[in-house]
Amino acid sequence: GNSVTQMEGPVTLSEEAFLTINCTYTATGYPSLFWYVQYPGEGLQLLLKATKADDKGSNKGFEATYRKETTSFHLEKGSVQVSDSAVYFCALRAAGAGSYQLTFGKGTKLSVIP
Amino acid sequence: DSGVTQTPKHLITATGQRVTLRCSPRSGDLSVYWYQQSLDQGLQFLIQYYNGEERAKGNILERFSAQQFPDLHSELNLSSLELGDSALYFCASSAPGADSPLHFGNGTRLTVT
Repeated sequence: GNSVTQMEGPVTLSEEAFLTINCTYTATGYPSLFWYVQYPGEGLQLLLKATKADDKGSNKGFEATYRKETTSFHLEKGSVQVSDSAVYFCALRAAGAGSYQLTFGKGTKLSVIP
Repeated sequence: DSGVTQTPKHLITATGQRVTLRCSPRSGDLSVYWYQQSLDQGLQFLIQYYNGEERAKGNILERFSAQQFPDLHSELNLSSLELGDSALYFCASSAPGADSPLHFGNGTRLTVT
């Protein structure tokens, strides 16, 4: 079956530090990959996506590259801000039994301190 | 704003009771998904509907049921509630195809006392 493994948190960084959150996946076929972000008290928001190998998704300074050879989709940001404090979820979407539900990792909580 | 509307935002009820959670998908989206988010289990897929028909089932308990109506809104019914059902319940909708992301509502926080 499909699965997503992401690094366990929590992660605490100082403002302007470099961020990497690792994500690897297992899937049959060719999944689409997503990063979602959940701010405190809110729902999940799509952060970025990539739909095929070597695609790079980017948004709000965050980037992730779809690496088929290593089955990875690591999230990076060059300089984090306090406002980036949230929980980040890696997810994949692949066809299976006629359904396209998202399979999520367990989430990584990021805290950015001034 | 994702365009997905969930009501109510909060629900507090007692064990053994039954509740209904409601979801209106984004305009034009035919698929609706329900997820449960709890501290220990993370985000668990419950069930998917596509244009009124059940498409896939995940880790949904027999005490839970859902349906999607002709106007495409969906309801998740939770019955014989237990303390362990306390969680955030999210609805999401999407356009067809694996490339399309799911768009999530803000969730309904259910507390069973």
